[in-house]
Parts: sequence; structure tokens; C-alpha cells
Amino acid sequence: EDKVVQSPLSLVVHEGDTVTLNCSYEVTNFRSLLWYKQEKKAPTFLFMLTSSGIEKKSGRLSSILDKKELSSILNITATQTGDSAIYLCASSSNTGKLIFGQGTTLQVKP
Amino acid sequence: NAGVTQTPKFQVLKTGQSMTLQCAQDMNHEYMSWYRQDPGMGLRLIHYSVGAGITDQGEVPNGYNVSRSTTEDFPLRLLSAAPSQTSVYFCASSYGDTGAEQYFGPGTRLTVT
Repeated sequence: EDKVVQSPLSLVVHEGDTVTLNCSYEVTNFRSLLWYKQEKKAPTFLFMLTSSGIEKKSGRLSSILDKKELSSILNITATQTGDSAIYLCASSSNTGKLIFGQGTTLQVKP
Repeated sequence: NAGVTQTPKFQVLKTGQSMTLQCAQDMNHEYMSWYRQDPGMGLRLIHYSVGAGITDQGEVPNGYNVSRSTTEDFPLRLLSAAPSQTSVYFCASSYGDTGAEQYFGPGTRLTVT
């Protein structure tokens, strides 16, 4: 059965800290790994990583896919209170399914 | 361009009642999905569709039905609501396949008493 596991489940940091969120996956016929940010409403897309694009960066956020370890990390540097959210990781396969992990709740304190 | 729309935003049902959650997208996306979100459990896939006339089950399909008669619409039916179906429901669509960026609707908060 396909599975995506995120860690930690929750995290509290102070502004300016750097955080690393983890995602591991067990997916048959893996196609892509996606990261989303959710602030009270619907998730919004951050990154998509595939076998041909294993590293992505946008401002203070970056993500890497480790195909050997079947895992991905999401890094946030110089955190701000606006980064407080649930971060969701999801993995897709060629069956068409997108399976999400439990999410990591990040709280950034001033 | 409205993106993905869902109605209603909130709904309260009594156990045993039936209802349909509506989802529509105007981006001509082939792939559409329904998820439920419960505290601490992320998003769980209920049903998905890879195109008009084609649907398949996700991780938690029991108690829910779907159909996809047009590219734009993907309604989710609860046949006989149960308290375990109290949740927030999200509809999503993507161009190409579910491995691509998914666009989410605003969600429907459903309470079953």
C-alpha cells in the first residue's frame, strides 16, 4: 500500500531560525513528490520534484528529493511569522493517485 | 476564471441523510479529485477521475459515490451520512495528471450529528 510519512508532526521555532521538514514515501511506480502550504484554508502549491528535477528553490524555501532514500526535505531559512502553517507532502504514481502525508504544523514565534 | 469552486461552504446533516457536495472547475483540467481532511491526518483521497466518464477509488471511498459526466463537474455524493464523515472536504483539479500541481477549491465543512 502506498504511504507517505512526514516528520516532525509539529514544530515551534522563533523568527530567524532555519527549519527542515522531512517526508518519506513508499509509492509503487513513483512519479513526483509535491509540497504544499496550508494556512487555515485550501493548500497552496510550493514545489514539485521529479526524477528529472530533484532540487527546487524559491526565495527562503528550498526542497530536495533523495531518490535513493525515498525521501524529501523542505528547508525554510530565516523563518518569519507568516511561515506558520501546515506543510503537506504528497507523492504521485502512474496509477493517477496522489497520496498525502499527515502534515507538519509549523509555528513561528516572534 | 473562477478556478475550482465548491458548494456549499458549510453543511450540517443528520445521521442517515444524503447530500451532494458540488465541485466545478473552469480550467479544462482532466484530473479531478476529492479529499477529506481530519485533524492530524493530512488529506486523504476519497475518489478521483482522470477524465469525463472515468472515476476510481482512493484511500477512503466507503460511503461516498462520484460521477464525472462532464470535464467541468465532479460531484461527491454521501448516500447515508454518518458522524464519521464529519470532516472538511476539498476538491482539486490538475492539468495532465495528479502528479502535476493540483488546484484546490475552498473546501466544504461538513458536520454530521
